[in-house]
Order: sequence, then structure tokens, then C-alpha cells
Amino acid sequence: GAVVSQHPSRVICKSGTSVKIECRSLDFQATTMFWYRQFPKQSLMLMATSNEGSKATYEQGVEKDKFLINHASLTLSTLTVTSAHPEDSSFYICSARDPGRGSTDTQYFGPGTRLTVL
Amino acid sequence: EDQVTQSPEALRLQEGESSSLNCSYTVSGLRGLFWYRQDPGKGPEFLFTLYSAGEEKEKERLKATLTKKESFLHITAPKPEDSATYLCAVQVTKDKIIFGKGTRLHILP
Repeated sequence: GAVVSQHPSRVICKSGTSVKIECRSLDFQATTMFWYRQFPKQSLMLMATSNEGSKATYEQGVEKDKFLINHASLTLSTLTVTSAHPEDSSFYICSARDPGRGSTDTQYFGPGTRLTVL
Repeated sequence: EDQVTQSPEALRLQEGESSSLNCSYTVSGLRGLFWYRQDPGKGPEFLFTLYSAGEEKEKERLKATLTKKESFLHITAPKPEDSATYLCAVQVTKDKIIFGKGTRLHILP
């Protein structure tokens, strides 16, 4: 239970293009999903909290116009990196809470998406 | 400022050599502490949630404990397949958890 998937697992794009990453909760409904970014040998850093049917809440320093988040259903959130540049290259990971489990605070993570911008 | 610090950064053990990883935290109000395992190129895999000082959780060769200022992840008689990065995270608000940088554990056969 509490399985989260991401697609694609790996993407390479040219500078200036946009890239969309999907995050799905496979066996539960998630009203809230989270997007993180991880640089090599660094902590996971929360970028934004995605709420179904409403606007995402972004952490300080994260550009909301650059990282577009849409949470259109209870099982799907998307992150679009617009006009990507080499400095956006990173490992992007989503997570979700399963309200049906005993510990409602625990976040379950997807497998991550490696973005490389050339 | 809320902060999570893990030590050591890296640890090499022989197979069967037990040890402990440390996670110390300074937060204004602890809502929960989490341990995850992360393999290279993968997302974190959930291990434990702890809520109050004195609480302990066990799973196979792993045991997590919690005090008011730190948590320990004890690994008993580890095997090579236990090699991974172990992440500690602390919940600071309803929706926000902050992570430590992790401990890279390498178990030698």
C-alpha cells in the first residue's frame, strides 16, 4: 500500500524548453501532495505543497511562475518546469500522505525524476 | 531556526558489525520524526514514524528510538543489502517536514 509513482524517471531537454513531471498515488487518494528537489549529497528541499482543487503553496525562494504545479485530481499532481535552464538540473521527487493509514502525517515518496537540462 | 543534523555523514561497517546513526534536531514544536532509507537514484523509502520521547519502533535489523533532542537508528548485525543513505526528517508544521543530509551507510561483506 501507499504507492506513489512518477513519470518520467529521467528526462533530458534543451535549455529554454518546458518539462512536465507527473506524480500519481496508485492505491490511495491524496488531497495533498508535495514536491521536493534534491541536489547531489544534499537534503531533500521542499519546493511546494500541492492541494487538490486549489493553488499550490510555494516555499520561500521557489519561483511559482517557473515551477507550475497542478493538482487536478485526488491521484495526480504535475510539476512543469518552464523555460528550463542548466541550473534547474536536479532530482525531483514527489510525495503524498495516505489519509487512510494509521499515521496520517507520514509522507510516501515516489521514485524521483532526474532532469538534465543541456 | 528549525534544523536537523545527522551524524556521521558516512559510515563503513563490516557485515555483522552493529552500530547506531544519530539524528539531532532543534525545532520549535516536534510533531513527528521520520526515518527513511534512500538508495542511489531512488526516492526515499519509509521506515519509521516516532512521535514522543521514549518511543521505539523496530523492523527487521533496524530499531529507531526518540528522545527530546535526538533520535537514533540502531542497526543490528547488518548485511550488505542494508547499504544505503538513511535520512531523518522532522515535521515542523502540518504540511512541512525538513530533512537532514543523511548518513551514507556501507556494509562490507
